[in-house]
Amino acid sequence: GNSVTQMEGPVTLSEEAFLTINCTYTATGYPSLFWYVQYPGEGLQLLLKATKADDKGSNKGFEATYRKETTSFHLEKGSVQVSDSAVYFCALSENYIPTFGRGTSLIVHP
Amino acid sequence: KAGVTQTPRYLIKTRGQQVTLSCSPISGHRSVSWYQQTPGQGLQFLFEYFSETQRNKGNFPGRFSGRQFSNSRSEMNVSTLELGDSALYLCASSLGQGGRYEQYFGPGTRLTVT
Repeated sequence: GNSVTQMEGPVTLSEEAFLTINCTYTATGYPSLFWYVQYPGEGLQLLLKATKADDKGSNKGFEATYRKETTSFHLEKGSVQVSDSAVYFCALSENYIPTFGRGTSLIVHP
Repeated sequence: KAGVTQTPRYLIKTRGQQVTLSCSPISGHRSVSWYQQTPGQGLQFLFEYFSETQRNKGNFPGRFSGRQFSNSRSEMNVSTLELGDSALYLCASSLGQGGRYEQYFGPGTRLTVT
């Protein structure tokens, strides 16, 4: 079956540091890929998405590129803020069935 | 525009009982999906309803069921509760069926089974 693997957290950074959260996937076909963010006490929010190979999703300074050759969709941000502290989920959707990674907690210190 | 609402937010039940959770999607959204989130298994897809019909289903036992009404509101029922059913249950709505449309998540219902 499909699967999504994310780097384990927590990831702890200082404000303005560069962020990378790794995500790799296994799928039989050509899934759509997503990053979601969950702030404490809230539901998930879509952060960005990409629907085909080489697409780059971007939002709020976050970026991720759909790499079919490496089956990866790594999340990056050039300069993190304290307000970015949250749990980030990588996900794929294939044949209408979504599969989520386990989530990576990000903690940003002032 | 109001977001996805879930009721109740917190629930405590005893093993063997049944429970019904409710989800009201964003106005105009016709698809509602349900997820179970636990520390051990992460976020797992339960099922999706679109136009009052279950369209897709995850790998959960038949004790987990749902339905969708003509106004797109959805309910999820869990019968014969087990301790392992303790989790945060999230629902998400979207304009269309399937994962290609952006999903908007509610805050979840925290179910504790004792």
